[in-house]
Amino acid sequence: GENVEQHPSTLSVQEGDSAVIKCTYSDSASNYFPWYKQELGKGPQLIIDIRSNVGEKKDQRIAVTLNKTAKHFSLHITETQPEDSAVYFCAAGYMEYGNKLVFGAGTILRVKS
Amino acid sequence: DADVTQTPRNRITKTGKRIMLECSQTKGHDRMYWYRQDPGLGLRLIYYSFDVKDINKGEISDGYSVSRQAQAKFSLSLESAIPNQTALYFCATSVRGRNQPQHFGDGTRLSIL
Repeated sequence: GENVEQHPSTLSVQEGDSAVIKCTYSDSASNYFPWYKQELGKGPQLIIDIRSNVGEKKDQRIAVTLNKTAKHFSLHITETQPEDSAVYFCAAGYMEYGNKLVFGAGTILRVKS
Repeated sequence: DADVTQTPRNRITKTGKRIMLECSQTKGHDRMYWYRQDPGLGLRLIYYSFDVKDINKGEISDGYSVSRQAQAKFSLSLESAIPNQTALYFCATSVRGRNQPQHFGDGTRLSIL
């Protein structure tokens, strides 16, 4: 089955700096890669996703890149703000039957002001 | 996501008790999922349902059962709770089709003494 590894487990950045979180996946059949943000006491919220036919996607300060050959994808947050502090999860989905997602272990992002 | 409601939000109970966690959604989605979140392990899929008559086991279904009472309701049961089932439980929904985002509720924190 699919296995997703996420690094780093914790990340501290200064406000205004960029943050990068990386994930690798094992199953070359995976073709959907969402990123979720989880704030304290809340459920994960989808912030951006990318499908395997695209190499990069951007939404304001957030971007995701995908390297299918190397089987890794990354989340980039530019101009970080204190409200970006949260736990971020990557996931990989293989859609041969349905919407099964396998999640990474999560990254705690702290933005220091 | 207020459209996906989980009850209760918190529950403390004793080993051996039967527990039911409930999830209801107003999003009109066909598919529903139950996940378990443990520190350092991300989210792991327990069960998923593509419609009322289609229920499938996820990667960690042992010790759990589910019921899809209606399109909008999906319940998770622990028949005889044990301490290592202490975790944060999330319900999620998605529309039918490939590569569709999953939308999460705010979780149930379950403690088994």
